[in-house]
Amino acid sequence: GAGVSQSPRYKVAKRGQDVALRCDPISGHVSLFWYQQALGQGPEFLTYFQNEAQLDKSGLPSDRFFAERPEGSVSTLKIQRTQQEDSAVYLCASSSSRTGGNSPLHFGNGTRLTVT
Amino acid sequence: RKEVEQDPGPFNVPEGATVAFNCTYSNSASQSFFWYRQDCRKEPKLLMSVYSSGNEDGRFTAQLNRASQYISLLIRDSKLSDSATYLCVVRSGGYQKVTFGTGTKLQVIP
Repeated sequence: GAGVSQSPRYKVAKRGQDVALRCDPISGHVSLFWYQQALGQGPEFLTYFQNEAQLDKSGLPSDRFFAERPEGSVSTLKIQRTQQEDSAVYLCASSSSRTGGNSPLHFGNGTRLTVT
Repeated sequence: RKEVEQDPGPFNVPEGATVAFNCTYSNSASQSFFWYRQDCRKEPKLLMSVYSSGNEDGRFTAQLNRASQYISLLIRDSKLSDSATYLCVVRSGGYQKVTFGTGTKLQVIP
């Protein structure tokens, strides 16, 4: 597609439920990032993929968070046993460069997760 | 200390004013720098890259000071449509990890 696509746009989950958030990056983009953005804050890094390899998951807040990109294109962020503090907007971004260069990130619209 | 720091504002300025934002970063090995703009309840969008020699795009001027590890954004002749949050972004590390500041909120007043 023309841009980064994320689904669903909105997700309401009851505490304890599992959720799966999908990201479809720009075709051919090697790098894929997931960010978590709380209200009034900047995006906080969660994890990074280069093609199908998850090179950095240092930002995942707990072992309830898991991300995958099995074929190097679509990525899924899964949150198990959701808690209220997981409520945030989850942003996916892709970039054409692998390393170096001045390649910016292109963001999807985000998924707004509300845990009740 | 956060890797990328910005004054959260808000900066309330009248139309036509000039306003400047600064951003500091802690990783001296950082390689690429950007300013993003984020409107309320929208995703961040690239405003401009920041080059070592400084660069200008219309009313917007970005500067980089590697020695002092800060980046600036200057907006001249502010428009109401400039009201948004401006995010400082730094890429660093072997795979170019991208780190955002908390953002500076700008409100341009008629």
